[in-house]
Amino acid sequence: EAGVAQSPRYKIIEKRQSVAFWCNPISGHATLYWYQQILGQGPKLLIQFQNNGVVDDSQLPKDRFSAERLKGVDSTLKIQPAKLEDSAVYLCASSLDDSSGNTIYFGEGSWLTVV
Amino acid sequence: GNSVTQMEGPVTLSEEAFLTINCTYTATGYPSLFWYVQYPGEGLQLLLKATKADDKGSNKGFEATYRKETTSFHLEKGSVQVSDSAVYFCAHARNKLIFGTGTLLAVQP
Repeated sequence: EAGVAQSPRYKIIEKRQSVAFWCNPISGHATLYWYQQILGQGPKLLIQFQNNGVVDDSQLPKDRFSAERLKGVDSTLKIQPAKLEDSAVYLCASSLDDSSGNTIYFGEGSWLTVV
Repeated sequence: GNSVTQMEGPVTLSEEAFLTINCTYTATGYPSLFWYVQYPGEGLQLLLKATKADDKGSNKGFEATYRKETTSFHLEKGSVQVSDSAVYFCAHARNKLIFGTGTLLAVQP
C-alpha cells in the first residue's frame, strides 16, 4: 500500500517569497492533516480536513498560510509571504476518518528553510 | 488545556540496557494514546497505541500501558539495540493529535 506522498522534500527560499507544498494521502483516507514541526519540538497541527471540508484550522496563521483540498483527495499548503520563523518541516498525514483511535500515517515531510 | 509532557533527552544508553521514557498527559475525558518514532532522515511512524485505560500497546519489543489513575503512558523496552536510536514522540488524541516535544534516544554499541 502506498504511503502519504509529499513534495518537494526540500525547499530553500528567501523571506517574503512564497512556497507551496503538495500532499497525496493514502487512498481512501477521508481525513488529511498538515503539521508544522520546528527543530527540537513536537509536530503542531496547522489544519485538518475531513474530505474537502476544514475541521480545525485554529492554529493556522491565516494571514500568511493557506491550505486547500478541493476534491477531497490531495492537498496544497501555501505560505505567502514566508518569514524566517517558518523554517520547519511540514508534515502531511492522513487517516481513515477522524475517530480518535485511528492510526494517523505521516509522510516524510517537506523541509523548508527560509533565509 | 490538552497537553503531553515527556522526558527530556537526550537519553544515552548502552546496547542491551533497559529503556524507560516517561510520558504524562492532560486531557478531558479518555483520549487514545500513542508513541510515534522518527528515525534519522525519515518520517514519523506509529510505534504503538492504546485506546482505553489499562490497555497495553506493544511493538518491536517496546511496550506502554495506559494508566488512567496517573495519566501516564511510559514507554519501555527491556533490551535496546543500536537500531533503536531515534526520536520518540508521545501523543494523545481526543479531537486532534497532540504531541510531546520528543525524546532523542542514542544507543551506543
